[in-house]
Amino acid sequence: DQQVKQNSPSLSVQEGRISILNCDYTNSMFDYFLWYKKYPAEGPTFLISISSIKDKNEDGRFTVFLNKSAKHLSLHIVPSQPGDSAVYFCAAHNAGNMLTFGGGTRLMVKP
Amino acid sequence: DAMVIQNPRYQVTQFGKPVTLSCSQTLNHNVMYWYQQKSSQAPKLLFHYYDKDFNNEADTPDNFQSRRPNTSFCFLDIRSPGLGDAAMYLCATSFGWGVRNQPQHFGDGTRLSIL
Repeated sequence: DQQVKQNSPSLSVQEGRISILNCDYTNSMFDYFLWYKKYPAEGPTFLISISSIKDKNEDGRFTVFLNKSAKHLSLHIVPSQPGDSAVYFCAAHNAGNMLTFGGGTRLMVKP
Repeated sequence: DAMVIQNPRYQVTQFGKPVTLSCSQTLNHNVMYWYQQKSSQAPKLLFHYYDKDFNNEADTPDNFQSRRPNTSFCFLDIRSPGLGDAAMYLCATSFGWGVRNQPQHFGDGTRLSIL
């Protein structure tokens, strides 16, 4: 039973445009959400996070939105750059420090 | 730079031949994790250590064991690797337990192939 789902396995965006990556979850006990970015042959690196008490968190070109009623979060990248091309994982915390990951979305930003 | 380092980056072993993957950290984090990631799938937690306290996920096969001799090092032992164990193995660390603004830090992984 996948508690965190990223339904789009891939996304292609033109450089300079907005990239929107989506994530849905089923467990209402999740209280903290993170996005990780993964380049080939490297481990995931932390990108941005949001607490369940907020609906938006912004860090430079990256903004995460949380809609608790819909159990949905999204990552917006504006403007997208070729260096943003990577696999993006959505992850969620419930009790303790256990992370549940989504299956990832491969973002390709075309010059 | 403080880091999580995994060795080797690539490991090839024979079916049934024991293999050990290693992870070291300079972050002085209390918690260390081992994840298994198969192609195009989410990383799956195998187990974690909080200091020396070992915690096994319920569905982690008995074939997988772990050791943490000190704060800096953690090992993943696969006693009798099967073809289904071919995967990327990721080590991660975190500061404390339940500290929400302290995300897990990952190493670059060891890709394990089984012949």
